[in-house]
Amino acid sequence: ELKVEQNPLFLSMQEGKNYTIYCNYSTTSDRLYWYRQDPGKSLESLFVLLSNGAVKQEGRLMASLDTKARLSTLHITAAVHDLSATYFCAVDRLGRDDKIIFGKGTRLHILP
Amino acid sequence: DAGITQSPRYKITETGRQVTLMCHQTWSHSYMFWYRQDLGHGLRLIYYSAAADITDKGEVPDGYVVSRSKTENFPLTLESATRSQTSVYFCASKLSGNTIYFGEGSWLTVV
Repeated sequence: ELKVEQNPLFLSMQEGKNYTIYCNYSTTSDRLYWYRQDPGKSLESLFVLLSNGAVKQEGRLMASLDTKARLSTLHITAAVHDLSATYFCAVDRLGRDDKIIFGKGTRLHILP
Repeated sequence: DAGITQSPRYKITETGRQVTLMCHQTWSHSYMFWYRQDLGHGLRLIYYSAAADITDKGEVPDGYVVSRSKTENFPLTLESATRSQTSVYFCASKLSGNTIYFGEGSWLTVV
């Protein structure tokens, strides 16, 4: 059974600091997604990581994937208040059972 | 506008009633999903569909029924609503191998 674990689940940090959110998953996966959700809103796609060693960057966010370790990271550089949100990773087993399973999310609060 | 739409957006119903949440997408995406979001649990997969007339259970299917007679529609029915089904429900769709697109969510309260 596919399990997806994120940590930390809650994170409060100061503006200007760097931090990393971790996403571990339990079985072989074909791709990994990162999403952002603002309170009361839907989910917004950030990154799709397709292969081992994939790295994608958008602004202050950078995501990477290590399929051998079954680990993805979302790194935040020099955090700003606007990045406060909940971040989810999700694992796709396309071609196996087609399920897409989400982690519980990391609630990020950036203090001005 | 093209996209994925859910209805109703907000619903209050009584315990024991049947409720159907609608999901419609205009992209002809093959895959569609229903998730529920609860505090402390993140998003949990209820049912998913790889194509019309093909559906399968997710992580928490009990108490829910789905159908997919047309590619663009994927309704979710609560046959006899319970308070534990109070949640925010998200419908999503995607093409094979591509990113997942989410609807705006349906807030359901069972009293």
